[in-house]
Amino acid sequence: AQSVAQPEDQVNVAEGNPLTVKCTYSVSGNPYLFWYVQYPNRGLQFLLKYITGDNLVKGSYGFEAEFNKSQTSFHLKKPSALVSDSALYFCAVRDMNSGNTPLVFGKGTRLSVIA
Amino acid sequence: ETGVTQTPRHLVMGMTNKKSLKCEQHLGHNAMYWYKQSAKKPLELMFVYSLEERVENNSVPSRFSPECPNSSHLFLHLHTLQPEDSALYLCASSQRPFRTSGRGETQYFGPGTRLLVL
Repeated sequence: AQSVAQPEDQVNVAEGNPLTVKCTYSVSGNPYLFWYVQYPNRGLQFLLKYITGDNLVKGSYGFEAEFNKSQTSFHLKKPSALVSDSALYFCAVRDMNSGNTPLVFGKGTRLSVIA
Repeated sequence: ETGVTQTPRHLVMGMTNKKSLKCEQHLGHNAMYWYKQSAKKPLELMFVYSLEERVENNSVPSRFSPECPNSSHLFLHLHTLQPEDSALYLCASSQRPFRTSGRGETQYFGPGTRLLVL
């Protein structure tokens, strides 16, 4: 079975500081990994994904994430946070080798960037 | 977000009502999805349609009935709902059919319908 965990319900960071939103996963094979962001009263917007290749993935709005196979992690990072980054962030995983299983999402982490 | 649209954006209904949620994707995709988003819970996949065929039904109660008349439109028909069905219902689409090499495909989401069942 595949699963994803976002250990923090809430992350607070000061504007201009680096931010990290954590994600760990569990799959039997190799993972496809995704990050989505949800602003208030909006649907989920795709930020970035890891399929294969370079472990450091760059995405929209200056975000990046690093795939770490030994730690089964895919943490989302940004060097300098903006107040407009405040939103709900979802990590998702799908096992490459598990047939037709759908995308599994974490519970989400609420990021609050304080001016 | 204009790639996937959902109507209505908000809906209040009584437990005896019948209503329908509509989703339309303008991306030329071949797979469409319904998700339920409740507070402090992971997104719950409800239904998947691939090339207009239902390929996934995650033990959703029969009071939710999906319909996919073509690859661009997806409906969720609601009847005799319960208060615990109140949630944000999200539609998504992806390019390739679900059961091909599309496991790395990105899903694109609509803005959702906020449903309140009284």
